[in-house]
Amino acid sequence: SQQGEEDPQALSIQEGENATMNCSYKTSINNLQWYRQNSGRGLVHLILIRSNEREKHSGRLRVTLDTSKKSSSLLITASRAADTASYFCATAQYAGNNRKLIWGLGTSLAVNP
Amino acid sequence: NAGVTQTPKFQVLKTGQSMTLQCAQDMNHEYMSWYRQDPGMGLRLIHYSVGAGITDQGEVPNGYNVSRSTTEDFPLRLLSAAPSQTSVYFCASSPSGPRYGYTFGSGTRLTVV
Repeated sequence: SQQGEEDPQALSIQEGENATMNCSYKTSINNLQWYRQNSGRGLVHLILIRSNEREKHSGRLRVTLDTSKKSSSLLITASRAADTASYFCATAQYAGNNRKLIWGLGTSLAVNP
Repeated sequence: NAGVTQTPKFQVLKTGQSMTLQCAQDMNHEYMSWYRQDPGMGLRLIHYSVGAGITDQGEVPNGYNVSRSTTEDFPLRLLSAAPSQTSVYFCASSPSGPRYGYTFGSGTRLTVV
């Protein structure tokens, strides 16, 4: 069952522009994670933000988390053609024996040179 | 470190055949999992393991078996392949479940004819 819903489903921008992707979820979480998947490849972990954190940075990536709205956003600044990929959010719940990630369907980002 | 290694990368099976997808990690991760990825369905958890000798079912376990005799290896067995099992399969590991980001293998693309 999907918990995270990414928005938009697809995004096309020019190189140098910023890209923003959003993720909404339904139930309480322990952390939220963002991953990138290049075509035909495995997923790569980008950032993990815990439920008590509001913002996190990693290089050109900025992730925010609003637990009151049950939403997160991923901002990629100064995008490059190499950022073309699908981006997935995944929410984590690990109370007791329940230790699973629940995945969204992803945002497909195309960065045009 | 090789990370997570999956073999084979591609496989074609006939309906009713069985096979094992291999997954090995060299990071001493406690947690390992198998996902399948289908267009429009996102990532769905098949089985997971929280340590050697311990496995549990995910969302879509039917038709698949797993075992975890060592920390490093987590093979996925298809008992009697069906066309509905045509998919891309990913193995992922983490130090301790979704408290941490997952490391993914490069995937196995399976076609059942």
